[in-house]
Amino acid sequence: EAQVTQNPRYLITVTGKKLTVTCSQNMNHEYMSWYRQDPGLGLRQIYYSMNVEVTDKGDVPEGYKVSRKEKRNFPLILESPSPNQTSLYFCASSLKPSDYEQYFGPGTRLTVT
Amino acid sequence: AQTVTQSQPEMSVQEAETVTLSCTYDTSESDYYLFWYKQPPSRQMILVIRQEAYKQQNATENRFSVNFQKAAKSFSLKISDSQLGDAAMYFCAYRVYGGATNKLIFGTGTLLAVQP
Repeated sequence: EAQVTQNPRYLITVTGKKLTVTCSQNMNHEYMSWYRQDPGLGLRQIYYSMNVEVTDKGDVPEGYKVSRKEKRNFPLILESPSPNQTSLYFCASSLKPSDYEQYFGPGTRLTVT
Repeated sequence: AQTVTQSQPEMSVQEAETVTLSCTYDTSESDYYLFWYKQPPSRQMILVIRQEAYKQQNATENRFSVNFQKAAKSFSLKISDSQLGDAAMYFCAYRVYGGATNKLIFGTGTLLAVQP
């Protein structure tokens, strides 16, 4: 089944404790990106990747890192999480950067205390 | 910069009735895509319908249709014969593509309740 998976689905952590949220797709998609969803703000793009080893900042990149060593994986790294990073995170992918349709993962609910 | 505005934080509709969700956007581009996404309590983002700006005909997907007014930069979603399963948060989105970026700009969402 073609899908985008994220792990973990739920995470509660403490301020400053490094964490990684994984994203994987099995559709050989070139383009992948991360969004965060906050009440009253909709979804905002954090980082995106056009292909392996090609990443760039989205609209709200502060406090996040990403890497794209393999085509299928695009982990989101919070090296020193803070409470303002409490949010719902979505990974999305598309076959080509030019494709209009993006496939979303199931979301990761992160709480930083 | 492109922006998307949804002015209705919450809406309610009776089962089997019709409801229209509003969305306006701002852009200087002439060719673009617009979308409506549905987010049920499961939190999954589900694409409901899309509209290419160069197409004058309004998109339709079963009970879902849009009223795309390009000059007015308006993109409303009409849900006909509303069902209990339509209850969800609905997001309007504008696709920005060009150069090295491909992203969706989302509105703040409209929470739709369906009353039995």
